[in-house]
Amino acid sequence: DGGITQSPKYLFRKEGQNVTLSCEQNLNHDAMYWYRQDPGQGLRLIYYSQIVNDFQKGDIAEGYSVSREKKESFPLTVTSAQKNPTAFYLCASSMVQSKYEQYFGPGTRLTVT
Amino acid sequence: SQQGEEDPQALSIQEGENATMNCSYKTSINNLQWYRQNSGRGLVHLILIRSNEREKHSGRLRVTLDTSKKSSSLLITASRAADTASYFCATAGGATSYDKVIFGPGTSLSVIP
Repeated sequence: DGGITQSPKYLFRKEGQNVTLSCEQNLNHDAMYWYRQDPGQGLRLIYYSQIVNDFQKGDIAEGYSVSREKKESFPLTVTSAQKNPTAFYLCASSMVQSKYEQYFGPGTRLTVT
Repeated sequence: SQQGEEDPQALSIQEGENATMNCSYKTSINNLQWYRQNSGRGLVHLILIRSNEREKHSGRLRVTLDTSKKSSSLLITASRAADTASYFCATAGGATSYDKVIFGPGTSLSVIP
């Protein structure tokens, strides 16, 4: 899992609550990413950030928000607007110059009931 | 729609046998990568092959790329129980300005001791 940590590993929330997933990296990577993984599907990109204080929407950004105040940290908030938030969430980072080689954290499994 | 599609969805082999997984994609790419994911964990980058390369090796892994057929294969030789995991191909490049990395749904490999 390299130098990326995600916490917690398992998270349970009631419907209607916002929840923030943590992602921290000590690899000195400029770029960071959030993916969502559902059973039988590949990863889908939620948000990405190539530099501090800047981020872009991925393919499924609706109902999610992020911030990038520090190079090491890229927290993801799953808001109550996300219709189907139960999933496995993966954070990744990469050097901008070799952005295709992404280093992944261990993931957070979010269950919303 | 997903760019990469792995085949087969699931594969079960005996330890010591070779395992071959295929990936097909739809549009032009700059490179293709393979990742491994152990159950409930993050992804680990295995190998990247560029669009102008045809074959690449890394230890017991051999990756081929046929851009005319828009397909790639991952061969794991002399498989071990520890190779049991899901394997994802990811494509990058093409018309998007970001050079988005798009993951396929994965092949689940079981290596029976």
